[in-house]
Amino acid sequence: AQSVAQPEDQVNVAEGNPLTVKCTYSVSGNPYLFWYVQYPNRGLQFLLKYITGDNLVKGSYGFEAEFNKSQTSFHLKKPSALVSDSALYFCAVSLRGGATNKLIFGTGTLLAVQP
Amino acid sequence: NAGVTQTPKFRILKIGQSMTLQCAQDMNHNYMYWYRQDPGMGLKLIYYSVGAGITDKGEVPNGYNVSRSTTEDFPLRLELAAPSQTSVYFCASTPGKRGVYNEQFFGPGTRLTVL
Repeated sequence: AQSVAQPEDQVNVAEGNPLTVKCTYSVSGNPYLFWYVQYPNRGLQFLLKYITGDNLVKGSYGFEAEFNKSQTSFHLKKPSALVSDSALYFCAVSLRGGATNKLIFGTGTLLAVQP
Repeated sequence: NAGVTQTPKFRILKIGQSMTLQCAQDMNHNYMYWYRQDPGMGLKLIYYSVGAGITDKGEVPNGYNVSRSTTEDFPLRLELAAPSQTSVYFCASTPGKRGVYNEQFFGPGTRLTVL
């Protein structure tokens, strides 16, 4: 079965420190990969995506993610965390060749940045 | 552009009642989706549509129905509400152009409680 795993329910980091939110996937073929962020009582907002090309993808608000095909991972990173980065982060994948662009989501990781 | 809009924001239903969750987008997107979000479970796809008049089931369609008579609107119908349908519902859309993979744009959500 196709699946996305976010092994950490919560990640705690001090403001100014680097952060990593982990994501691994198990799907057939080479998927498209996404990160979304959800602030309290809001819808999901797109952060970044990997389609093809450079394994390091840069996105909104200073976030970046590294695609690692051999480890089937797509970890989200930021060099210096802000308190305002505190939110729920979702990793998602979509299968290449599909005609529907459906997404499979991970269960989410709550990022808490302490001042 | 208003993007993806959803109404109502909140609703409390009694068991057995029916209701329709409204979703509209003004971006002329072909593909639209309905998800439900439960704590610790991520987002699960309920139904999706790749164009007016075309709908299909997602991962958790039982207890729901959809229609897509126009490009802009994609309402979700709950016929006989059950406590298991207590959740936050999100509508999303994406351009859906062949050969181009775009991210999905999400609405602000509808919080539904069934008592």
